[in-house]
Amino acid sequence: DTAVSQTPKYLVTQMGNDKSIKCEQNLGHDTMYWYKQDSKKFLKIMFSYNNKELIINETVPNRFSPKSPDKAHLNLHINSLELGDSAVYFCASSQGLAGAQPQHFGDGTRLSIL
Amino acid sequence: AQTVTQSQPEMSVQEAETVTLSCTYDTSESDYYLFWYKQPPSRQMILVIRQEAYKQQNATENRFSVNFQKAAKSFSLKISDSQLGDAAMYFCAYRSATSGTYKYIFGTGTRLKVLA
Repeated sequence: DTAVSQTPKYLVTQMGNDKSIKCEQNLGHDTMYWYKQDSKKFLKIMFSYNNKELIINETVPNRFSPKSPDKAHLNLHINSLELGDSAVYFCASSQGLAGAQPQHFGDGTRLSIL
Repeated sequence: AQTVTQSQPEMSVQEAETVTLSCTYDTSESDYYLFWYKQPPSRQMILVIRQEAYKQQNATENRFSVNFQKAAKSFSLKISDSQLGDAAMYFCAYRSATSGTYKYIFGTGTRLKVLA
């Protein structure tokens, strides 16, 4: 009964490959996010969707493409992986576009590029 | 643009003692929300406590409490009776109350070590 679940938890792949990370939330939230956490633990917002609409798109290479088939899912596809993409990627969800509602995070996906 | 600053990259505390983690933020808004998240070695991000800016009373959750100083734009986290399980990265976060701004803005984190 995990609230926000990401798969896979670990992803090891070669440079140049294409990979996807999936995220699902069963909290009934209408807003979902992708964050990248680098080796120094800095948490950087990448994308956010509200009711399947893209509302935040930070300066992220266009090799990264989020897809939200419905409110409960936000997947992240990465093309032509590079060494600098190695990080932990977190999915999160919250209710509403502003306000006191905290974000609920998944357990993260550790992506390692060889 | 809003910013969140955690000036202590690392802190240590003896078990059963009290420690305070600092967080300052910069905003021109009057209505917003502040959060502290904990990230243990398991990597999971866990909400510890939150504070509404319009409330003068400091939020408290068991051994965790905040010292919210709105005029000084300061939001420190106090952990009392520290336990080994409190060892983690702690992130301070800000969110505007204004619809349309959407983002949560995180600080760079403070690593807390608890010494037995």
